[in-house]
Amino acid sequence: DAKTTQPTSMDCAEGRAANLPCNHSTISGNEYVYWYRQIHSQGPQYIIHGLKNNETNEMASLIITEDRKSSTLILPHATLRDTAVYYCIVKAGNTPLVFGKGTRLSVIA
Amino acid sequence: EAEVAQSPRYKITEKSQAVAFWCDPISGHATLYWYRQILGQGPELLVQFQDESVVDDSQLPKDRFSAERLKGVDSTLKIQPAELGDSAMYLCASKTGTANTEAFFGQGTRLTVV
Repeated sequence: DAKTTQPTSMDCAEGRAANLPCNHSTISGNEYVYWYRQIHSQGPQYIIHGLKNNETNEMASLIITEDRKSSTLILPHATLRDTAVYYCIVKAGNTPLVFGKGTRLSVIA
Repeated sequence: EAEVAQSPRYKITEKSQAVAFWCDPISGHATLYWYRQILGQGPELLVQFQDESVVDDSQLPKDRFSAERLKGVDSTLKIQPAELGDSAMYLCASKTGTANTEAFFGQGTRLTVV
């Protein structure tokens, strides 16, 4: 079973920041937070992951709370091409990704 | 940029027939996964390989599904016989053997059983 809780769906205006929350209150000390997204009919795409420090790359920023029980994925300037299902996953080591239902983000023009 | 290659992209087969999917992971990736994704749901793990060895196949329906990675590089997933309920997207992913690194997915094979 997935160890995370995400809203079922969210809307975001094009050009605005999209902030996707994830709750992982039972996260273990050695588990990382991973974010993937899946655009319709394509394979999941890796976005970012982190342990406890905030992370940023060319796609997004990951903000993890100090107690590590929740995190937020930030897409700074959402475009229509960011419309997808976003999955938040916690895991450690080489264990496989366990997907939940994710958040369906709709970016609206 | 290196990618996970999967073929075919789409497959239609009749129930009770055999079907096979192929995956070529990113070069050097020791870990390979096969997932199944039913429409409207998240991907579910079927099998995990480390090099040529199966690490976890607890969710693989072994009466009809088989998977192999003979030389520790590319992999084949087979279904025989196919059933209507097997209609789904079959996804392959790979990663390095280093802990806490990301996995990369292929574009998947969309199977329709009629």
